[in-house]
Amino acid sequence: QKEVEQDPGPLSVPEGAIVSLNCTYSNSAFQYFMWYRQYSRKGPELLMYTYSSGNKEDGRFTAQVDKSSKYISLFIRDSQPSDSATYLCAMSATRNTDKLIFGTGTRLQVFP
Amino acid sequence: DAGVIQSPRHEVTEMGQEVTLRCKPISGHDYLFWYRQTMMRGLELLIYFNNNVPIDDSGMPEDRFSAKMPNASFSTLKIQPSEPRDSAVYFCASSPREETTRETQYFGPGTRLLVL
Repeated sequence: QKEVEQDPGPLSVPEGAIVSLNCTYSNSAFQYFMWYRQYSRKGPELLMYTYSSGNKEDGRFTAQVDKSSKYISLFIRDSQPSDSATYLCAMSATRNTDKLIFGTGTRLQVFP
Repeated sequence: DAGVIQSPRHEVTEMGQEVTLRCKPISGHDYLFWYRQTMMRGLELLIYFNNNVPIDDSGMPEDRFSAKMPNASFSTLKIQPSEPRDSAVYFCASSPREETTRETQYFGPGTRLLVL
C-alpha cells in the first residue's frame, strides 16, 4: 500500500462548478500538508500549505485536513478553465520540507 | 529571478547510452532535490543536497544513477547505462535555508527523457 493515495481522475467539470480533490494517507506522523498544481509540461507549483487539522482558505481555494480520518481535501469554488491542471497532494512529518511524499496527482479539466 | 533552470528539456537516447541531466537552482537556495515523475509511480524523490552535500539518496533506484553538486549553482544527475524503464520526466527543485520560508520547494520545468 502506498503511503499516499490519490485518485488519478481525470475529473471533468463545467465552468463554475465546485471541485473536490482528495487524498488519503497511512502515516499518522504526517503533520504538514500541501497541494501543488502542475500544468501540462510544467513543474509543480505550491498552491496551499496547511499544518495539522483544520481548514485554510485562499481565494477560491480551501484546503481541509482531517487527521483522525487521515484524509485531506482541496476545494475549488467557481472553477475556471484556467484551473485545468493536475493537482498533487504532498505531505511531510516535519516542518522543514526536506522529504515530501507526493500523491500521484488528479487530472482536472474544467470546460467552458 | 529566473527560477530553477534545467537542461536539456527533452532527451531521446538509446538503451545503454549515458545520460546527463543538469540543474541550476535558484540563487541563495541551500537545498536541491532531484525527482522522477511517471504515470504509474507519480513524483518520487531520488536524492537531495544541503549546501552541496548529499543528505539522502535512498530514492536512487540503483547504481546506474548518480548525482553530484560541485557548487551551489549547479547539479547533475547521471544515468549510465540508461534503460527504457528510466523513461520519465526528471525534475529538479530548490528550497531556501531559512526555516520560515522553507515551506515549499520550487520546481524547474523538468527534463523529459525517453530511452529507446
